[in-house]
Formats: sequence, C-alpha cells, structure tokens
Amino acid sequence: DTEVTQTPKHLVMGMTNKKSLKCEQHMGHRAMYWYKQKAKKPPELMFVYSYEKLSINESVPSRFSPECPNSSLLNLHLHALQPEDSALYLCASSQGAATGTDTQYFGPGTRLTVL
Amino acid sequence: GQSLEQPSEVTAVEGAIVQINCTYQTSGFYGLSWYQQHDGGAPTFLSYNALDGLEETGRFSSFLSRSDSYGYLLLQELQMKDSASYFCAVKGSGYSTLTFGKGTMLLVSP
Repeated sequence: DTEVTQTPKHLVMGMTNKKSLKCEQHMGHRAMYWYKQKAKKPPELMFVYSYEKLSINESVPSRFSPECPNSSLLNLHLHALQPEDSALYLCASSQGAATGTDTQYFGPGTRLTVL
Repeated sequence: GQSLEQPSEVTAVEGAIVQINCTYQTSGFYGLSWYQQHDGGAPTFLSYNALDGLEETGRFSSFLSRSDSYGYLLLQELQMKDSASYFCAVKGSGYSTLTFGKGTMLLVSP
C-alpha cells in the first residue's frame, strides 16, 4: 500500500479565515513533506518533517504553519492567506532513508482557492 | 543551487516511442527520479536511477549518465493515457529533498 490521503480535496477560503489541511499515511514512513504547486509549474517544497521533527522550512511565510501530531499525520494550518496562495497543496511521504532510494509518494492534493 | 532542464513539450502518436531528456546541475547528487502527473492529479513515481545505466519497468525505461549529468525517460508503445506531464527530479544535498525540473508535457495523439 503506497497511499497518502489528503483532506479536503477542495477548499475555498477568505483572507481572514483559518483552515487546516490534513495528510495521513500508514506506510510507516518517517519523513513527510508539504509542497505547493501552481498550474503548469513543478511542485515547490515548503516543509519537511523527519521523525516528527521539522527539519526543513523553505522560507515559507508564517501564515502557513505545519504540524506533525504523530508519525502518520501531517497538518498545514492556514491563516490570513493571500489570493496568490491559491494552488494545489501536495503532501508526500517517504521512508526517510539518508541515502539510496527514498522514494516520495504523493497524496492527491488539496486544491485551495483564496478569495 | 540546483537546476534541471527538460523540454517543455513533446508530441507523439499512439504506438510510438518517445524520449524525454533531463540535464542537471547540482551541488550534491544521490539520484534522478521521474514522476508522471496527469492534469489535476498527483505526481506518481515512475523510476529512480542512482547509478549509471538503464532501468526498465514495463513500457517505461530510465537512463542515467552521472559523468554527463544527464538522464532520460523512454516511453514505448505510447498510449493515449500516457498524455501527462513528466518531471525529472534530483535528490541532492540534504538527502530528504527533491528538486523538480519544470516538467515536460507529453501529448499523445491517435
């Protein structure tokens, strides 16, 4: 089973709203990732969690706040977003191996629209 | 820094063979991955090359030359369902991270 699930599939929010994106995997993976993808562009890495600790923050604005409650769950809390934050938000997970094949498996994404 | 170059678009007909090239410049290199993404869908892992040579998985093959900083994805017996974007991605320094190329849109026509 190489499934990563994400909820919700679609989200529309105003600039003053607070919402959260959720991601779950049951593959025993110890690394989890958030990516942002704009139309016709590649995924851009936002955050990496390794063994439930934030290991990489790619200079993401503080209006995006990640959280890893346990090894299977990853959240992305959203607050005071801007219309330009509208995008597909992808979660991924991998075994977290230091070398060798550490394939990342992606969830279906949450399509976010900020009004 | 890291940069990857791949063609923006490739067109082919059903049953044909197509090759999507990827050249990269990285500060560290563990391997080259390929992902497929259909419009509106999630990236799906296709293959990974850490060593020089050809890896074959069904109709898809991937090649890597570390000395040339070059790889390619070969798709054989093309089907309409292969129409999608294909991304090469490098696993470089900071072992957990992937840097993606800009993607190649493959259009397969009847």
